Amino acid sequence: EPEVTQTPSHQVTQMGQEVILRCVPISNHLYFYWYRQILGQKVEFLVSFYNNEISEKSEIFDDQFSVERPDGSNFTLKIRSTKLEDSAMYFCASSEPGTGNSPLHFGNGTRLTVT
Amino acid sequence: ILNVEQSPQSLHVQEGDSTNFTCSFPSSNFYALHWYRWETAKSPEALFVMTLNGDEKKKGRISATLNTKEGYSYLYIKGSQPEDSATYLCAFGDYKLSFGAGTTVTVRA
Repeated sequence: EPEVTQTPSHQVTQMGQEVILRCVPISNHLYFYWYRQILGQKVEFLVSFYNNEISEKSEIFDDQFSVERPDGSNFTLKIRSTKLEDSAMYFCASSEPGTGNSPLHFGNGTRLTVT
Repeated sequence: ILNVEQSPQSLHVQEGDSTNFTCSFPSSNFYALHWYRWETAKSPEALFVMTLNGDEKKKGRISATLNTKEGYSYLYIKGSQPEDSATYLCAFGDYKLSFGAGTTVTVRA
């Protein structure tokens, strides 16, 4: 069964450094998302992406964050200058074309630790 | 931020017993209600997406109901098995889902 893959599984970085989290969504999916879960808290929406542009973003997704689909397969989340509070598990997800009723297919996540 | 609440936070079930737990969400501007199962060290896996008031969905021993007017959904596990041990997340919305904190189910053999 096709799956969403994320790399790396764990990233440790120093505060102020830039990180890029990578995702390969399921090939025929057209909607892509990033969510995150800070330890002990709820899973939070960051951004949705469709047709090569951001369709929605949360208040968390400020100017430090950006997303890109550099080619036909990868979907990346860049954090320009990491802060301690960016430490979280970041999940990429994709969904089929159609309405917003399609289930999300999640990757295994990247655990980002900012020191 | 839409307030999605799940209760209880955790529960322990004896193998073979049935159980259920709740997700509550805003009853206005309903779009869809998702249920996901999240096993340790794995990714959340979609169980159901429910859109209509009165919807009932079933997948094996797991089923869910939806009441959009009062803003709640129940997830039922019939005849719990150890492999049902997981955190069950509900999420509300369209392309921008608001998640509950989850109900962690532990099935004891």
